[in-house]
Amino acid sequence: NAGVTQTPKFQVLKTGQSMTLQCAQDMNHEYMSWYRQDPGMGLRLIHYSVGAGITDQGEVPNGYNVSRSTTEDFPLRLLSAAPSQTSVYFCASSYTAGGLYNEQFFGPGTRLTVL
Amino acid sequence: KNEVEQSPQNLTAQEGEFITINCSYSVGISALHWLQQHPGGGIVSLFMLSSGKKKHGRLIATINIQEKHSSLHITASHPRDSAVYICAVSPYSGAGSYQLTFGKGTKLSVIP
Repeated sequence: NAGVTQTPKFQVLKTGQSMTLQCAQDMNHEYMSWYRQDPGMGLRLIHYSVGAGITDQGEVPNGYNVSRSTTEDFPLRLLSAAPSQTSVYFCASSYTAGGLYNEQFFGPGTRLTVL
Repeated sequence: KNEVEQSPQNLTAQEGEFITINCSYSVGISALHWLQQHPGGGIVSLFMLSSGKKKHGRLIATINIQEKHSSLHITASHPRDSAVYICAVSPYSGAGSYQLTFGKGTKLSVIP
């Protein structure tokens, strides 16, 4: 099993550009999520999905879009990049969303810089 | 809104010392997670617990539901334990249980 994979590892964008961060998992997990990690702050939830075709907003969704057409893939789209979106982005997955069955498996992260 | 507070923020220890990292949270939860973030950035799950105590090798995690408090202990610390340790909680079932709330992390440095 590859676990949770993310591409790219690093990305530099100019303000206003759009891009998609890719996330895939091969563990047949129902629940997938995107977090951003900024210095001095804890991980913050951007969007999450409890299964194919179902997505919802987390704590900091503005400027990001997601879709979940398959169980395996959960891409994160930046619609018009802003310097405030400079961050490290982590994708995570788990069997379910709540309780004792939601051990989180994290991808390696994408370091994004917006100039 | 659930708040998760970790202490200390930074911790330096000599190799072999017993280490304790604390986590407090403000609302009822269904589970608490301890995560480790390596210097290279990768995050792995160490423990997930809702009551009592769990042990993996030199790591021990405890939780007191009544006091809304958890501790992560490392016995016989080693330089390879140097990392950021993150506490996260998932609230009781319902829509909110999907949204993990994370502490800011405790940066541990173990000196040989």
